[in-house]
Amino acid sequence: DTGVSQDPRHKITKRGQNVTFRCDPISEHNRLYWYRQTLGQGPEFLTYFQNEAQLEKSRLLSDRFSAERPKGSFSTLEIQRTEQGDSAMYLCASSHTSGQGPNEQFFGPGTRLTVL
Amino acid sequence: AQKVTQAQTEISVVEKEDVTLDCVYETRDTTYYLFWYKQPPSGELVFLIRRNSFDEQNEISGRYSWNFQKSTSSFNFTITASQVVDSAVYFCALSEARGGATNKLIFGTGTLLAVQP
Repeated sequence: DTGVSQDPRHKITKRGQNVTFRCDPISEHNRLYWYRQTLGQGPEFLTYFQNEAQLEKSRLLSDRFSAERPKGSFSTLEIQRTEQGDSAMYLCASSHTSGQGPNEQFFGPGTRLTVL
Repeated sequence: AQKVTQAQTEISVVEKEDVTLDCVYETRDTTYYLFWYKQPPSGELVFLIRRNSFDEQNEISGRYSWNFQKSTSSFNFTITASQVVDSAVYFCALSEARGGATNKLIFGTGTLLAVQP
């Protein structure tokens, strides 16, 4: 069974450009999360999907950010008009639902975004 | 509001020493889950343990052990006989557990463990 994959692994862009990241979760996992991690900090929650429905968005997710999960499979995170403050590692995680509380989330390798 | 505090920013030990990583959490929920993750230099977060708020038994897995104390809102992690391969950033995290919740993880700022040979 393959783990969570993310593409690209690195992205360098100029301020004002749009970028899109992709996450492929573990195939049977219905829950998908996006987090952002800056240097020296723990990951911070951005948004959550259960199947194809986006059920929660953090206030960190400004209107320049949009995420989708069509058909409840892979997910994309788009950042429009990037700013230098968007530079971070963007992490995707997936888990499955059980009747016994939150299961462990499996994380992908992340996409490191650098905005020049 | 939920919060996780890892007061130790960096710890350096010599191989074979025991080391304890501290984690203190805050939550108003009566049911919640606690996690530890390891982030090695390669960057990918690796799950280590999940513990629910009703289970205060300590857990041991090989050289790893965890001490959960609700009275002090702490969930500390001990590595016995540390090895160079244990060098990583370790994160403690908290998740709500009520029905319909997203179960998002609230992470601490992490503790960088450096094990010297």
